Amino acid sequence: SQQGEEDPQALSIQEGENATMNCSYKTSINNLQWYRQNSGRGLVHLILIRSNEREKHSGRLRVTLDTSKKSSSLLITASRAADTASYFCATLRISGSRLTFGEGTQLTVNP
Amino acid sequence: GAGVSQSPSNKVTEKGKDVELRCDPISGHTALYWYRQRLGQGLEFLIYFQGNSAPDKSGLPSDRFSAERTGESVSTLTIQRTQQEDSAVYLCASSLRDSGYEQYFGPGTRLTVT
Repeated sequence: SQQGEEDPQALSIQEGENATMNCSYKTSINNLQWYRQNSGRGLVHLILIRSNEREKHSGRLRVTLDTSKKSSSLLITASRAADTASYFCATLRISGSRLTFGEGTQLTVNP
Repeated sequence: GAGVSQSPSNKVTEKGKDVELRCDPISGHTALYWYRQRLGQGLEFLIYFQGNSAPDKSGLPSDRFSAERTGESVSTLTIQRTQQEDSAVYLCASSLRDSGYEQYFGPGTRLTVT
């Protein structure tokens, strides 16, 4: 398996519910980033969390990082239909030069 | 301010032909990345530029693929003798300095090889 694996592969929830997506990785990292992709085109950066950070917030988004378990989670609170998209985690290995992306979680928020 | 732009947005080509894909990064961003994304899959790294040099081109799948960057700005990805398995969306991203910073993505070029 590859660096940066999201879980679940697909998630379907109702508007107003919270959505939690997880990411696991294998090697030590410098930072971990979460991106959103709509309709299979350009990705939009959501949050960057560095290896010495444990939690970050941005609006309705909360990201946690557990380096001992080599895992991260993205929580979207009070979801909206507009949050429907694919969500990817990406990791930068220590001494690495580029991000490694996972396969993504497809989130569907039903109105 | 302008974001990352890519052209063309769609390209249909016949097997065996060469194609050139263009990326204009955000002005002042020294790092530029090319990725490939097949339908329903994650991003596959192709090449990374820092300025005009490519310290990491390990993701280029074969010698049919090449890329260059000039003037620390525009980059072109060239695929020679295209094959059907080259069909994918090719995404370009730039970042301020390196992968320690967030990446800004272009809308991608959807390449279809018939």
